[in-house]
Amino acid sequence: QVQLQESGPGLVKPSQTLSLTCSVSGGSMTSPNYYWSWIRQHPGKGLEWIGYIYDSGSSYHNPSFKSRVTISVDTSKNQYSLKLTSVNAADTAIYYCARHGDWDGGFDPWGQGTLVTVSS
Amino acid sequence: QSVLTQPPSVSGAPGQRVTISCTGSSSIGAGYDVHWYQQLPGSAPTLLIYDNNNRPSGVPDRFSGSKSGTSASLAITGLQAEDEADYYCQSYDSSLSVVVFGGGTKLTVL
Repeated sequence: QVQLQESGPGLVKPSQTLSLTCSVSGGSMTSPNYYWSWIRQHPGKGLEWIGYIYDSGSSYHNPSFKSRVTISVDTSKNQYSLKLTSVNAADTAIYYCARHGDWDGGFDPWGQGTLVTVSS
Repeated sequence: QSVLTQPPSVSGAPGQRVTISCTGSSSIGAGYDVHWYQQLPGSAPTLLIYDNNNRPSGVPDRFSGSKSGTSASLAITGLQAEDEADYYCQSYDSSLSVVVFGGGTKLTVL
C-alpha cells in the first residue's frame, strides 16, 4: 500500500524559506487520477490545506498563502516538495503530505507529519 | 475561524451513540462531498468516511456519515474508549475555491 513520509528541517529562521519533501513508496506518483497535497496543523489547532500538485506538474494552492507557496514534483524520485517563503512564527506547524483521488476528495493516506518551528 | 462549523466537543458513555455535526453553506450546501477524519492523540489524521457516507476498508461499521442540505453528520454507535480522539470534517468551499476543514470536535468517552 502507498505510504508517504515527510522530511526536511525542523527549524527555520524568520524570513527564510521552509522546504519540505514528501517521499512516496508503495506506488507511483505518475498513477493517473491522484492529487498530492500539503496540509498543516498549528500546534493544538485545526487543519489547514496548503495546496496540491497533480498530473505530474500542475499545481494549485490556497489563495490565503498568496504567492509564498510553490509545490513541485520529482517523478524520478517519486517525491514532491513544498516551499514556503518569507516564513514567520505563524508558520510554525506540523506539516503533512497526503494523497487524494480527486481535487475535492478525501485524503488517504497521510504522512506521519513533521513539525517545523520558525524561530531565530 | 473555519468555514465548516463543528461543535468543539462532544461526549458519551461507553456503548452510547454520539453524533458530530458539520455545517457549511458554500461548501456542503453547494453540493460538495464531505469527508471525515479521526485524529488520535499524537498521530496524523486518518480517513474515516469519504464521499459523505462511505467507509474505507478497515473502518468499523460503528462509524457512519450522512449529509443533508447545508449540514453533514458523523455518527458513532457503540462508543468505545479507543474512539476518544479529535474528529474533522472536510469539504470544498466554492466561494473561496479551497479545500476546507472544520475546526475539529474533541470526543470524550466518559
